[in-house]
Amino acid sequence: DGGITQSPKYLFRKEGQNVTLSCEQNLNHDAMYWYRQDPGQGLRLIYYSQIVNDFQKGDIAEGYSVSREKKESFPLTVTSAQKNPTAFYLCASSIYSGVGETQYFGPGTRLLVL
Amino acid sequence: QKEVEQNSGPLSVPEGAIASLNCTYSDRGSQSFFWYRQYSGKSPELIMFIYSNGDKEDGRFTAQLNKASQYVSLLIRDSQPSDSATYLCAVNYGGSQGNLIFGKGTKLSVKP
Repeated sequence: DGGITQSPKYLFRKEGQNVTLSCEQNLNHDAMYWYRQDPGQGLRLIYYSQIVNDFQKGDIAEGYSVSREKKESFPLTVTSAQKNPTAFYLCASSIYSGVGETQYFGPGTRLLVL
Repeated sequence: QKEVEQNSGPLSVPEGAIASLNCTYSDRGSQSFFWYRQYSGKSPELIMFIYSNGDKEDGRFTAQLNKASQYVSLLIRDSQPSDSATYLCAVNYGGSQGNLIFGKGTKLSVKP
């Protein structure tokens, strides 16, 4: 069953704590992305990766870190430097279709601060 | 600043009617355009994409693109209560990275 999985579905963070959100895909997509969605807001890009061992900052990278050691995996760490982490986090992967990239989303992780 | 604008709604239509969702974008270099549907509490689901001027039909959905007017729309024919969701317009402004800029979405409510 091909797709994108994210875990956990809900995550609670204590003050000063780093937490890691998992994203795995078995679609053989090269590119992967992390977005943040706040209520009533559009999706904002945190980080993206086009190939293994390479990634670039998006519009709101401060307070976040990522790694891309395997094509299938793109974990996101929310560090203690991110002062307002409560949001819905979405991972996506994309495939080039001849005229452009088409992105598909995982089910998301909702992060809440205790 | 590249922007994608959508009317936040809510847009309310009766069951069986045509729902028309609109999106404008600021960058003339934009190359591909996407419509996602997002149910409350869920992740976005791709409905359609369009690259060329004109209409593209898929079942009850039609995407329309007018690059000269920097305008893309989504028509939903025979709207059903199950179509009630937020619809996100996304624009790829080109380049190799495949990044999308998303609008804030239009909330659609289909009344039985």
